[in-house]
Amino acid sequence: EAGVVQSPRYKIIEKKQPVAFWCNPISGHNTLYWYRQNLGQGPELLIRYENEEAVDDSQLPKDRFSAERLKGVDSTLKIQPAELGDSAVYLCASSLSVWGADGEEYGYTFGSGTRLTVV
Amino acid sequence: GNSVTQMEGPVTLSEEAFLTINCTYTATGYPSLFWYVQYPGEGLQLLLKATKADDKGSNKGFEATYRKETTSFHLEKGSVQVSDSAVYFCALSDNYKLSFGAGTTVTVRA
Repeated sequence: EAGVVQSPRYKIIEKKQPVAFWCNPISGHNTLYWYRQNLGQGPELLIRYENEEAVDDSQLPKDRFSAERLKGVDSTLKIQPAELGDSAVYLCASSLSVWGADGEEYGYTFGSGTRLTVV
Repeated sequence: GNSVTQMEGPVTLSEEAFLTINCTYTATGYPSLFWYVQYPGEGLQLLLKATKADDKGSNKGFEATYRKETTSFHLEKGSVQVSDSAVYFCALSDNYKLSFGAGTTVTVRA
């Protein structure tokens, strides 16, 4: 079974330019997450989708970041315009369902990430 | 809010040495606790987990016990191998959201 697929693996852009990241979750996983991992830190949640609906985007900087998940499958995360501080690894993850009452994990799986460098 | 604090690295060990990485957490309620591992060039992989107090998670020779009284979830392995070189992240779940520690880089020398 293919895992969570992300592209591109690496991206270098100049500041003020736009950039987009793509994620294909595990087949059948209805929940999709975007995390950002700054250098030397753990990942932090940006946005969560249940099917095609963004149910938690409270940590997404909405002035420059946007995301979509058309048809509840693939997702795209966009930054426009990019700033130097956006340099990080952007991780996509998917899971089968929202967490159960006992906190059980339902196949929470991460992709390999996209490493963004803004110069 | 919820947070995770883990031992700072980097940690450098010789093969067959004992490894321990400390992790403590702050949370409301009773979160599930996880250790994730990130090998060079790869994505985050779940290493082990524990969903309630006194549970012990184990995998690939690694173990961690959910200690509610000390709010800790320390990772241990009795005899490390070069292939264990990676970045290790402690995390807790708040319903659907994972909160991670900063990660600990472990290097095992032959």
